[in-house]
Amino acid sequence: KNQVEQSPQSLIILEGKNCTLQCNYTVSPFSNLRWYKQDTGRGPVSLTIMTFSENTKSNGRYTATLDADTKQSSLHITASQLSDSASYICVVSVDGYKLSFGAGTTVTVRA
Amino acid sequence: EAQVTQNPRYLITVTGKKLTVTCSQNMNHEYMSWYRQDPGLGLRQIYYSMNVEVTDKGDVPEGYKVSRKEKRNFPLILESPSPNQTSLYFCASKVRDWWDTQYFGPGTRLTVL
Repeated sequence: KNQVEQSPQSLIILEGKNCTLQCNYTVSPFSNLRWYKQDTGRGPVSLTIMTFSENTKSNGRYTATLDADTKQSSLHITASQLSDSASYICVVSVDGYKLSFGAGTTVTVRA
Repeated sequence: EAQVTQNPRYLITVTGKKLTVTCSQNMNHEYMSWYRQDPGLGLRQIYYSMNVEVTDKGDVPEGYKVSRKEKRNFPLILESPSPNQTSLYFCASKVRDWWDTQYFGPGTRLTVL
């Protein structure tokens, strides 16, 4: 069973709107959680990283939150742009080296 | 330019024919890792290496071999490929520590007939 569950599987939003992606995990013990952005046909690129002691981290228009007690994270995209169309992947690690990936949320931004 | 390179980028082969996918990084990174990505399953870790001559299994190591004889190279070997190994493969590297950012290669699309 996948230890990292993401929702929704996909979503479509209009340019300029905001959206929030969810990640629930059961990986234990927990070391850190990353969000990656993966453009079609390319390798993933790291957006944010958080440890259990952090509950929010921003990278431009991307803001990630973490609730280590409920084992939930979210990624909020503000004022979406066409270039935000991609798959967003939640990755949880026990030790920073062995990684568990979510299946990803595909975001499509339409003009 | 700092990068992770993979070769080949695309490969179609037949069941049982041994193949090697090469991965090389020019950033002097200690950590390297291989992943496969399948629709609906996301990325899964195959093997990783903390340094030269040190390798560990990820979540799906069956049917794969790796070696780390040099710091910059981390080849993925499929001794007897099978159709269920048809997938998109990514190599990645990072400096060393858990907080370091991992950099991914461009991917290798493998089809086993």
